[in-house]
Amino acid sequence: GAVVSQHPSWVICKSGTSVKIECRSLDFQATTMFWYRQFPKQSLMLMATSNEGSKATYEQGVEKDKFLINHASLTLSTLTVTSAHPEDSSFYICSANQKNTEAFFGQGTRLTVV
Amino acid sequence: GENVEQHPSTLSVQEGDSAVIKCTYSDSASNYFPWYKQELGKRPQLIIDIRSNVGEKKDQRIAVTLNKTAKHFSLHITETQPEDSAVYFCAASMRFTGNQFYFGTGTSLTVIP
Repeated sequence: GAVVSQHPSWVICKSGTSVKIECRSLDFQATTMFWYRQFPKQSLMLMATSNEGSKATYEQGVEKDKFLINHASLTLSTLTVTSAHPEDSSFYICSANQKNTEAFFGQGTRLTVV
Repeated sequence: GENVEQHPSTLSVQEGDSAVIKCTYSDSASNYFPWYKQELGKRPQLIIDIRSNVGEKKDQRIAVTLNKTAKHFSLHITETQPEDSAVYFCAASMRFTGNQFYFGTGTSLTVIP
């Protein structure tokens, strides 16, 4: 199957700093990628849809100024958590689809804000 | 957006028994329903999916049924094995018009040897 790679796998940052997470589709072009957030023992919550060459579409309740999404190419989307706080600590996962096929997930990024 | 509910949240079965997980969705426009298995700290892996034009699909020990009228779908695992222990998520998506997945709340399945 298709491969989606996410980097870094885990990151620890200080409160108030920003963290960038990358999501790459390694062997296919993805015009759309999705960012999810998962708290321990909870489900994956869709945060936003990342569209190549245009603005991301955010789900209700997700702060677009806090979670900056950039989809500069057909194989790369980035999520930047700005001015991170401990409550932003979570597991962030991206996904991408080839056209009309299943979604492929990145391996996830565990963010810890101290 | 779509609202997906999933039951039960935890499920324990004896090895060899069957496990059933049920999901309901709210948006009748949803037309694609995948099931994912997630082991601790790992990415979700697709185990089976069903499209809205199909009522049932089976793959070895795993089967999924869909009732479009009632807006619910179920995952059936037969002859469970300890390696089936994981968290399972259902999802609903409007394929061809977005592909965003809305996930259920997850079911933690434990298969007791």
